[in-house]
Amino acid sequence: QKEVEQNSGPLSVPEGAIASLNCTYSDRGSQSFFWYRQYSGKSPELIMFIYSNGDKEDGRFTAQLNKASQYVSLLIRDSQPSDSATYLCAAHYGNNRLAFGKGNQVVVIP
Amino acid sequence: KAGVTQTPRYLIKTRGQQVTLSCSPISGHRSVSWYQQTPGQGLQFLFEYFSETQRNKGNFPGRFSGRQFSNSRSEMNVSTLELGDSALYLCASSFQGDWDNEQFFGPGTRLTVL
Repeated sequence: QKEVEQNSGPLSVPEGAIASLNCTYSDRGSQSFFWYRQYSGKSPELIMFIYSNGDKEDGRFTAQLNKASQYVSLLIRDSQPSDSATYLCAAHYGNNRLAFGKGNQVVVIP
Repeated sequence: KAGVTQTPRYLIKTRGQQVTLSCSPISGHRSVSWYQQTPGQGLQFLFEYFSETQRNKGNFPGRFSGRQFSNSRSEMNVSTLELGDSALYLCASSFQGDWDNEQFFGPGTRLTVL
């Protein structure tokens, strides 16, 4: 079982719509979770950090954490062409490392 | 506040050579982690340093090593380079590396092994 899974294929959304990304993790001991945005050829940029059950909002981004279901999601509201990127989900493991999913590519269509 | 810096940004080496990459964390951050990113394997953890001590190491061969200095700057070294070592090497900086600390990446070093 992979530590962090992001199973959805590329996601195409119209400009202005909501993009929804999902992520599951295998270790119930993981306490915090990260969403990074990575543009092609660039390094990952932290966009959300969450460690409490429920929702956390930051601008157009909302992260949702459900520890009972071992599930993390990211919503991007009012999607813009500049949101077109790969989104990486990561879980913090007790030995001070992040385990990453493979990422989801998002394409926002003008 | 300055971000994480990595040098050099690009490197081209040949098989068998060795390479040293450098990372300077955000001021005040004492934990530095290193990751390798390839198209096939994604982001994989190499090792993490805190207060000049390696606290954790990923599943990479001994050719990959690192160290951290008293000013929290870190270096990683890859000896006897192989073609498969071609990747983007990223370092991440956090206050202490704990679960409640945000982790920020540097711009990366793109290593090409010919």
